Amino acid sequence: EDQVTQSPEALRLQEGESSSLNCSYTVSGLRGLFWYRQDPGKGPEFLFTLYSAGEEKEKERLKATLTKKESFLHITAPKPEDSATYLCAVQAQSGGYQKVTFGTGTKLQVIP
Amino acid sequence: IAGITQAPTSQILAAGRRMTLRCTQDMRHNAMYWYRQDLGLGLRLIHYSNTAGTTGKGEVPDGYSVSRANTDDFPLTLASAVPSQTSVYFCASSPQAGNTEAFFGQGTRLTVV
Repeated sequence: EDQVTQSPEALRLQEGESSSLNCSYTVSGLRGLFWYRQDPGKGPEFLFTLYSAGEEKEKERLKATLTKKESFLHITAPKPEDSATYLCAVQAQSGGYQKVTFGTGTKLQVIP
Repeated sequence: IAGITQAPTSQILAAGRRMTLRCTQDMRHNAMYWYRQDLGLGLRLIHYSNTAGTTGKGEVPDGYSVSRANTDDFPLTLASAVPSQTSVYFCASSPQAGNTEAFFGQGTRLTVV
């Protein structure tokens, strides 16, 4: 069974204090790993897709990296507007394209 | 409208009643999905549609049905609501089956009492 575990569950940072969020996964053949951002009361917003170990993608203060067992979302010099819940999800090679398993998320709070 | 629109935004429903959650997208995406999100659990797929005219069961399909008569609309129906269906429901779409970049609606908060 595919599994996604995100840590920590919650993270509080001072503005400008860089950190990383972790997404550990177990999947029978990875087709893709996704990161989403979710603001309170809203639907998830797509950030990145990573396909193979060693791949990295960046967007503003966010950088996502991927190994064979985990992904990290690095946040450099965060701002209060980066406060949100960050979701990780994996898509397995088996089970059809629609089989995407989500983690429970890391709730990030950036204090001014 | 741009993106995905869900209706209603929230609803309180008596157990045993029938309810249809509406979802419309204007991006001409082929694939659409319904998820539920519960506290402490990740988003779970209820039903999906890879293209108009086809549907499939996701991880938690029991008690729900969907239809995909055209590209834009993907309604989710609860035939006889039960309290365990209290949740936040999200509709999503992606250009093709594969969900590599899914766009989500704003959600419907459903409470079954």
